[in-house]
Amino acid sequence: DVKVTQSSRYLVKRTGEKVFLECVQDMDHENMFWYRQDPGLGLRLIYFSYDVKMKEKGDIPEGYSVSREKKERFSLILESASTNQTSMYLCASSGYYEQYFGPGTRLTVT
Amino acid sequence: QKEVEQDPGPLSVPEGAIVSLNCTYSNSAFQYFMWYRQYSRKGPELLMYTYSSGNKEDGRFTAQVDKSSKYISLFIRDSQPSDSATYLCAIITQGGSEKLVFGKGTKLTVNP
Repeated sequence: DVKVTQSSRYLVKRTGEKVFLECVQDMDHENMFWYRQDPGLGLRLIYFSYDVKMKEKGDIPEGYSVSREKKERFSLILESASTNQTSMYLCASSGYYEQYFGPGTRLTVT
Repeated sequence: QKEVEQDPGPLSVPEGAIVSLNCTYSNSAFQYFMWYRQYSRKGPELLMYTYSSGNKEDGRFTAQVDKSSKYISLFIRDSQPSDSATYLCAIITQGGSEKLVFGKGTKLTVNP
């Protein structure tokens, strides 16, 4: 079974803090993705990566950056957290078309 | 027009009912179709995927694709309270970007 793990299930941070969300997959997948999910807005793609050190902007990249130094690990960075970044963050990986998701990190910025 | 439209519900049915969940899409280049199930406060879980028109069955679940109408459906037979979740359709073009286009999800409650 594909396993995608995320570093935290729940996280509370203060406005202005730098926040790191980590994602690890164990299936040697080329592609990894970061989404945020908000009520009424659905899943929105923040960034994705086709390969190590490769990254592409998704639909809402502003205020975020990513890092992929190893194939199995994809990190999402909030450079200076703001309250409008309070959300559920979901990481996914895929080998072909089907994406497999992690359990999510519920981030609250106060 | 949005690329993928999905009725958000909520949908409430009695246990044992047949459930029909639907999505429409606008881009005829879409070729791979997926359904995800998401329990409250959890990540989406891949339920079924198909790349052709017609039906694909897996236990109590049937995925149906009608490319001519740009319409996809998920049927759940003999629905159970454990099926209560949000169901998301997801679609992708073949040979293009690996970005999935998601519907916003339909919240289903199956009442015992």
